[in-house]
Amino acid sequence: KQEVTQIPAALSVPEGENLVLNCSFTDSAIYNLQWFRQDPGKGLTSLLLIQSSQREQTSGRLNASLDKSSGRSTLYIAASQPGDSATYLCAVKGSARQLTFGSGTQLTVLP
Amino acid sequence: DTAVSQTPKYLVTQMGNDKSIKCEQNLGHDTMYWYKQDSKKFLKIMFSYNNKELIINETVPNRFSPKSPDKAHLNLHINSLELGDSAVYFCASSKAVSEGGDTQYFGPGTRLTVL
Repeated sequence: KQEVTQIPAALSVPEGENLVLNCSFTDSAIYNLQWFRQDPGKGLTSLLLIQSSQREQTSGRLNASLDKSSGRSTLYIAASQPGDSATYLCAVKGSARQLTFGSGTQLTVLP
Repeated sequence: DTAVSQTPKYLVTQMGNDKSIKCEQNLGHDTMYWYKQDSKKFLKIMFSYNNKELIINETVPNRFSPKSPDKAHLNLHINSLELGDSAVYFCASSKAVSEGGDTQYFGPGTRLTVL
């Protein structure tokens, strides 16, 4: 059974800092890995999707990496802004063709 | 334009009642999903469905049933509601249940409270 863990559970940084969020998964037989953002009281917004054959994906100030063999992914946020404050969720699609989510990292960027 | 919409946004009801949550997507996607997010913020898949296949998470009680009148809608029916059903329910959609790069688009969620 796939398990997804995200560390840290919460993170607070001053504006302008670069930061890294971590995600690990127990079963390396995945089809893809996705990073989502969830704002309070709202749904999820997809940020980046990395297919199993890829090593990384970039979108603006965000860069996500995938090391399938070690069961790890990182989300790098450059030059953080208060608007980046949200909960970041990692999810993997495995053999059951369904997403398994981590519990998220709650990020606060202080102005 | 709302891509994935859900109604109602809030639902408060008594234990034992039967209720439905509606979901619609205007993205032309083939596959739709229902997720449950509990009080600890853990998101778990309940169902994935396209016009060919329904995949049910084995932990979902049979009091929960998805109903799809057409490709753009996947409603969630819940019978005999229990206190433990209180959660936020999210609908999502994607292009296909494929092995590769299918991004899922989520609705805003329905907060269900069972008293």
